[in-house]
Amino acid sequence: DTEVTQTPKHLVMGMTNKKSLKCEQHMGHRAMYWYKQKAKKPPELMFVYSYEKLSINESVPSRFSPECPNSSLLNLHLHALQPEDSALYLCASSQTQGAGAKNIQYFGAGTRLSVL
Amino acid sequence: DAKTTQPPSMDCAEGRAANLPCNHSTISGNEYVYWYRQIHSQGPQYIIHGLKNNETNEMASLIITEDRKSSTLILPHATLRDTAVYYCIVRVHSFGNEKLTFGTGTRLTIIP
Repeated sequence: DTEVTQTPKHLVMGMTNKKSLKCEQHMGHRAMYWYKQKAKKPPELMFVYSYEKLSINESVPSRFSPECPNSSLLNLHLHALQPEDSALYLCASSQTQGAGAKNIQYFGAGTRLSVL
Repeated sequence: DAKTTQPPSMDCAEGRAANLPCNHSTISGNEYVYWYRQIHSQGPQYIIHGLKNNETNEMASLIITEDRKSSTLILPHATLRDTAVYYCIVRVHSFGNEKLTFGTGTRLTIIP
């Protein structure tokens, strides 16, 4: 099973709302990732968690707050977003991080977020 | 980060081999080349990866030049379901962390 499950599939929120995106995998992977993808653009890395610890933050604004409560779950908490944050948010997982690792990332189908 | 260059779009007739080129002239000796594809409204899907040698799996073949500055992804018998954006990516190592930095990709259209 190489499935990464993201919920919800679609989300509409106002600029004052607080919402969360959820990502789950049961492949025993210890690295998990959040990407943002604008329309007709490639995915851009936001955060990387390795063994439940944040290892990479690509200078993402603080209105995006990631959380990794355990090795199977990854959340992205959203607060005070702007309309330009509307995008497809993708979660991925891989076996591990580190040089030489067979770091195949498996992606979920994404959450399509609209900020009004 | 090692940068990749791909043609923005390509067409291929159904049943023919699709050959997708990628230039990665700044690649370092220990950096892998990965190929992913993204079918409309889905998450990216891993296809194949390689370091120096040519690789083949059930989906595709990867041909890497001897100097490692370019590679070609080959889909041997393209079907309509292979219509997608194909990304060539060089995996970057930095202080024990790894990143996949997606380029702009090639939009492959399979023509019936």
